[in-house]
Amino acid sequence: GAVVSQHPSRVICKSGTSVKIECRSLDFQATTMFWYRQFPKQSLMLMATSNEGSKATYEQGVEKDKFLINHASLTLSTLTVTSAHPEDSSFYICSAQQEMNTEAFFGQGTRLTVV
Amino acid sequence: DAKTTQPPSMDCAEGRAANLPCNHSTISGNEYVYWYRQIHSQGPQYIIHGLKNNETNEMASLIITEDRKSSTLILPHATLRDTAVYYCIVNIISARQLTFGSGTQLTVLP
Repeated sequence: GAVVSQHPSRVICKSGTSVKIECRSLDFQATTMFWYRQFPKQSLMLMATSNEGSKATYEQGVEKDKFLINHASLTLSTLTVTSAHPEDSSFYICSAQQEMNTEAFFGQGTRLTVV
Repeated sequence: DAKTTQPPSMDCAEGRAANLPCNHSTISGNEYVYWYRQIHSQGPQYIIHGLKNNETNEMASLIITEDRKSSTLILPHATLRDTAVYYCIVNIISARQLTFGSGTQLTVLP
């Protein structure tokens, strides 16, 4: 299947700092990518839809000014957690699809720990 | 609102078939059944999907009942590496975001 790569896989940052997570589709172009968050022992929750060349669409309750999403090219979307707090510590996962009627492929996830 | 119901956990002996059930009694005619799995601390992995016919690929088989209100994912010869949370998702194929339920924790025992 298609490959979606996330970087970094793990990051520890101090409270108040910002962290950028990259999501790349390695062997296909993705006009849309999705960002999910997963807290321990819980399921994945969609945070936002990242559209190439336009603004992201955020799910209810997700602060767009805190979770900045940029989708500058057809193979790269970034999620920046700004002014991180310990409660932002979570597993962040992106996904992408090659075409509309195909399955989604997920990145390996990024474990963020804010201390 | 949960569209699927899965048992929270199941055990399976290594080498035996693992049969994971999923109820989706409110499924619409244009919704597909997707299965993904998530091994601990990794991103979800696509397994299989289907509309109404049974499907098989190199990973698993998907059996969908005639009324489409339930389905079963079959891993024919489970290995220890199949231990994961398995998610059954119903989705309109053109809708690309996925709504994950709580899934089934499958533990393959040696």
